[in-house]
Parts: sequence; C-alpha cells; structure tokens
Amino acid sequence: EAQVTQNPRYLITVTGKKLTVTCSQNMNHEYMSWYRQDPGLGLRQIYYSMNVEVTDKGDVPEGYKVSRKEKRNFPLILESPSPNQTSLYFCASSFDGHPNTGELFFGEGSRLTVL
Amino acid sequence: AQTVTQSQPEMSVQEAETVTLSCTYDTSESDYYLFWYKQPPSRQMILVIRQEAYKQQNATENRFSVNFQKAAKSFSLKISDSQLGDAAMYFCAYRSPRAKLVFGAGTILRVKS
Repeated sequence: EAQVTQNPRYLITVTGKKLTVTCSQNMNHEYMSWYRQDPGLGLRQIYYSMNVEVTDKGDVPEGYKVSRKEKRNFPLILESPSPNQTSLYFCASSFDGHPNTGELFFGEGSRLTVL
Repeated sequence: AQTVTQSQPEMSVQEAETVTLSCTYDTSESDYYLFWYKQPPSRQMILVIRQEAYKQQNATENRFSVNFQKAAKSFSLKISDSQLGDAAMYFCAYRSPRAKLVFGAGTILRVKS
C-alpha cells in the first residue's frame, strides 16, 4: 500500500529534551516536506526537500532540523524543544516527474506536546 | 509570496442541502495547482479535489465541484447533497510546480441532521 508513515503519532516531552519524528514514504517520491498545524493558522511549512541531500527552509524553520540521506526518509529533529513547538505535525511527499499533478500525500500526523 | 485566504472560519449546512466554501489566493504565477483537502476528526489529510490552472473546465468529483475563476483568483468548493460524513475542516491550498503547498487557515463545516 502506498503511504507516508510518521512516528511517533503522539509524544509528550519536556523542554530541552531532543527528539526526532521519523517520516518514511514508499512511493519513490522526490519531494518531501514537513508542516505544522496550529489553530487558526492552517498548515505552515517547516522544511522541504526536492531530492536526496537537498533541503531548504520553509516558512517556520526556527528550532527544527532535517536531513535527507535517503530518498524514502525525511526525519524532523527538534534539538531543544520548547513549549511553542507544541503542535500537530505532518509529513508529506509528492512525485515531481511527469505528469506532475502537484498532489501531496500526507502522513497521519504526529501530535507533539512540549511541557 | 503566495497567500491563500479562506474567509469563512465556520459554515453549517443541513443534511442533503448544498454548501459553498470560499477561497481566494494571490499569485503572480500563471501555471499552478489548486486543491481542497478535507481533515475529519481523525486528523488525516484527504484530497477532495484538484484543479490545474491551465484548465478552464471546473473540476468535479462526485458531489464535490469547484468554481475556478482564474482572473479573480477565486477557487470555491461546492458540496451537493451534504452528508454527515462531510463534517470536517476543509483547507484550500495552492501550489506552483515543484514548489511548496500554501494552505489557507481552514473552514470548519458542520452538517446538521
């Protein structure tokens, strides 16, 4: 089954304790990205990657890191989480070849709470 | 930078009736895609409908259709014969080729039985 898998789905942590949210897709997509969803703000992009070893900042990259060492994986790293990073996080991927429909495929979301 | 505006934070519709959700966007691009995503209480993001900017014909998917007005930069979603399962948050989104997806703030749709 074609899918984007995120882990963990739920996490409660404390300020300053490093954590990683993993994201893996099995569709051989070139493009992957991370979004955070907050009430009244919709989804905002954190980082994105056009292909392996190519990453770039989105609209809200502060406090986050990413890496793209393999095509299928795109982990999101919070080196020193703070309460303002409490949010719902989505990983997404898309095919950028031809034909390009532009559609993003989303993971199921990861609810993160930082105390 | 591209922006997407959904001016209706909440909408209500009676079961079996029709409802229209509004979306406007701002861009200087000529080639792009527009989407409506549905997010039910499960939080999963589900693609409802997609429109390519170069296509003049409005996209339709069963009970869901769009009114795409390129000159006005408007992309509304019409849901016909509303069902209880349509209750969700709906996001309008814009994407130019090989670029990020920009979302609106969302519209909560409530369906009354």
